[in-house]
Amino acid sequence: GNSVTQMEGPVTLSEEAFLTINCTYTATGYPSLFWYVQYPGEGLQLLLKATKADDKGSNKGFEATYRKETTSFHLEKGSVQVSDSAVYFCALSRGGATNKLIFGTGTLLAVQP
Amino acid sequence: DAGITQSPRHKVTETGTPVTLRCHQTENHRYMYWYRQDPGHGLRLIHYSYGVKDTDKGEVSDGYSVSRSKTEDFLLTLESATSSQTSVYFCAISDDARGRDTEAFFGQGTRLTVV
Repeated sequence: GNSVTQMEGPVTLSEEAFLTINCTYTATGYPSLFWYVQYPGEGLQLLLKATKADDKGSNKGFEATYRKETTSFHLEKGSVQVSDSAVYFCALSRGGATNKLIFGTGTLLAVQP
Repeated sequence: DAGITQSPRHKVTETGTPVTLRCHQTENHRYMYWYRQDPGHGLRLIHYSYGVKDTDKGEVSDGYSVSRSKTEDFLLTLESATSSQTSVYFCAISDDARGRDTEAFFGQGTRLTVV
């Protein structure tokens, strides 16, 4: 079946450090891939997405590239800020009739000043 | 921000009682979903709807039922609440799924505690 595996947290970084959060997926066909972010006490919001192999999604300094050969969609940011502290979820969708999202377990990022 | 309202935002209930959570949208989106969020599990799909009166089960549907009598409202009912249903519940909406990159929008969540 379809599934998403992402690195366990928490990830603790100092401000301006480089961030990588790993995400790999298992799916038949060609899913769309997403990163969602959840700030404390809030719902999830879309951070970035990619719909086909080699696409790069980017937003707010975050980037992720859809790598079909390694079935990966790792999230990166060159210089994190305290305000980036949140839980990050990798997700996939096969689209189709229901557009259901399948989520990873989430990775808590804590950025210290 | 997408117009999604969940109610209540917080609820404490006793084991064995029925509970209904409401999701209301103002976006006229076709698809609506209920997820639960638990530590170590991420978000898991409970039920979803692809139109008025059209619903189907997700991966963790046991003990839950849903109804959608209007486009804008999607109700989640815990028929007889148990402590294992203590969780944060999120409603989400999305539009026409023929577009493979259709984004889902989430509500603020409902924190439910079953004592």
